[in-house]
Amino acid sequence: DTEVTQTPKHLVMGMTNKKSLKCEQHMGHRAMYWYKQKAKKPPELMFVYSYEKLSINESVPSRFSPECPNSSLLNLHLHALQPEDSALYLCASRDRGPADTQYFGPGTRLTVL
Amino acid sequence: AQRVTQPEKLLSVFKGAPVELKCNYSYSGSPELFWYVQYSRQRLQLLLRHISRESIKGFTADLNKGETSFHLKKPFAQEEDSAMYYCALTTNAGKSTFGDGTTLTVKP
Repeated sequence: DTEVTQTPKHLVMGMTNKKSLKCEQHMGHRAMYWYKQKAKKPPELMFVYSYEKLSINESVPSRFSPECPNSSLLNLHLHALQPEDSALYLCASRDRGPADTQYFGPGTRLTVL
Repeated sequence: AQRVTQPEKLLSVFKGAPVELKCNYSYSGSPELFWYVQYSRQRLQLLLRHISRESIKGFTADLNKGETSFHLKKPFAQEEDSAMYYCALTTNAGKSTFGDGTTLTVKP
């Protein structure tokens, strides 16, 4: 299996809701990433997990809470989001080192009402 | 802090013409540089990375540390090359930064 999968594909939530995004890979990769991508903009790094430990947090608001339950799974828990958080959320994984390729999932399209 | 600059938002060429997508970077350490491509309705995927020094789909890119550039080139563009291209830099800590992207259109 050489794909990164993300669920759900689309999510609409209110500002008081709690929801989670899920990302999965079975390539044995040891680093996993969350990105936020607004329309016509590049992916913007949010979090990096390396060997299941949070290694980079790009000063993301606490209403976004990442979790890495095991080496294949990455979650992003969402709570009390704002309309400006509406975006495509991308997950990626890479093998080990920074020179390794990142493999991207198809993304979850999030709309916050 | 690192930065990646792609000066052309849009680039349009005719089929068979050479194409060059520019990428400049700033980073105090030793960067890992990549070109990622996104075809219409597909996910972002690797085109090539500087460490492997290979040619993919006829594209090449050379890291020029003196000019801090990693320009993407292809001698003869094809219509199927039309896509969004992102230059990206990863630091030795694993932090990745993308340029703003260049939309390439290859006209018949």
